[in-house]
Amino acid sequence: GAVVSQHPSRVICKSGTSVKIECRSLDFQATTMFWYRQFPKKSLMLMATSNEGSKATYEQGVEKDKFLINHASLTLSTLTVTSAHPEDSSFYICSAREADSGNGYTFGSGTRLTVV
Amino acid sequence: RKEVEQDPGPFNVPEGATVAFNCTYSNSASQSFFWYRQDCRKEPKLLMSVYSSGNEDGRFTAQLNRASQYISLLIRDSKLSDSATYLCVVKINSGYALNFGKGTSLLVTP
Repeated sequence: GAVVSQHPSRVICKSGTSVKIECRSLDFQATTMFWYRQFPKKSLMLMATSNEGSKATYEQGVEKDKFLINHASLTLSTLTVTSAHPEDSSFYICSAREADSGNGYTFGSGTRLTVV
Repeated sequence: RKEVEQDPGPFNVPEGATVAFNCTYSNSASQSFFWYRQDCRKEPKLLMSVYSSGNEDGRFTAQLNRASQYISLLIRDSKLSDSATYLCVVKINSGYALNFGKGTSLLVTP
């Protein structure tokens, strides 16, 4: 089946630094990528939706200048958390949708970010 | 009001028990419905889609009531390996993001 590879799985960084998270679709073309964030004991919250070759659409309350999303190719999307702060510590997960796949959504394995 | 609401639990049940989870959604335009399973610190994985006619997959039965905007999941003969968080998920239409409930925690004990 479709696979999305997400890296890194875990990262610890210092406050003020930037962290890049990558999601690659390994055997299909991901026309749409969704980025979610999940705080402990909370639901997955959609942060943004990106379509290949166009700007991402951010959900209300998500700072686009802080969470930079690039979806430059059909197999790669990146989320960069800029100037990270401890409150950005969370579980970030991508989900890719293949064109014409109907209800087919494939999740990455997630990235646990800890900002110290 | 949250778009997808679930009882967070936890539900603690013995092996072999039957347990039911409920979920309500607020957006009447929702078209697709799912139950996902999420293990601790892992990504969610699709358990089953939910259809208006109801559907069954082994020990799991899902029901959808569009009029009441209500979804349920029934697990029969619970196994220890069923311990996880069960996420109720709805989607408005093809191409839209999945909208997750907070999840219901299940712990099956020996």
